[in-house]
Amino acid sequence: EAQVTQNPRYLITVTGKKLTVTCSQNMNHEYMSWYRQDPGLGLRQIYYSMNVEVTDKGDVPEGYKVSRKEKRNFPLILESPSPNQTSLYFCASSPTGEAYNEQFFGPGTRLTVL
Amino acid sequence: GQNIDQPTEMTATEGAIVQINCTYQTSGFNGLFWYQQHAGEAPTFLSYNVLDGLEEKGRFSSFLSRSKGYSYLLLKELQMKDSASYLCAVVDSNYQLIWGAGTKLIIKP
Repeated sequence: EAQVTQNPRYLITVTGKKLTVTCSQNMNHEYMSWYRQDPGLGLRQIYYSMNVEVTDKGDVPEGYKVSRKEKRNFPLILESPSPNQTSLYFCASSPTGEAYNEQFFGPGTRLTVL
Repeated sequence: GQNIDQPTEMTATEGAIVQINCTYQTSGFNGLFWYQQHAGEAPTFLSYNVLDGLEEKGRFSSFLSRSKGYSYLLLKELQMKDSASYLCAVVDSNYQLIWGAGTKLIIKP
């Protein structure tokens, strides 16, 4: 089944404890992206990747890191999480970065930082 | 700045028709998406418009007017399962997606 997977789905952690949220897609998509979603706000892009070893900052990259060593994986790293990073996180992929491509979203990771 | 406006919440009756509006002010335009998002779930693609006019896809239709910076999503024969948030997103001149905050649609029996 074509899908985007994320792990973990739920995570409660404490300030300053490094964490990684994994994202993997099995559709051979070139483009991958991370978003956060907060009540009353639209999806905000954190980082995106047009292809392997190519990553760029989105609208809200501060406090996050990403890597794209393989086409299928695009992990999101929070080196020192803070409470303002409590949010619902979505990973997404699309065949290419072309504007008309729909994005396929993972199921989401709900992160709480205490 | 770039801005996408949608109503925060709408209520409609099962079997009826509802129109969800989206107005945008962005630096350039390379298309507009509508996504559906059920509570606690991932957004799923509904439509993409890049040319003016109406595109129909079953019970859902999407309309675009580029000169007015306006789009709407029309849902017909509403079903309870249509209760969800509907997200409007515009592709700007840098080919980045600008997302609206979404419209929560509540369907009543």
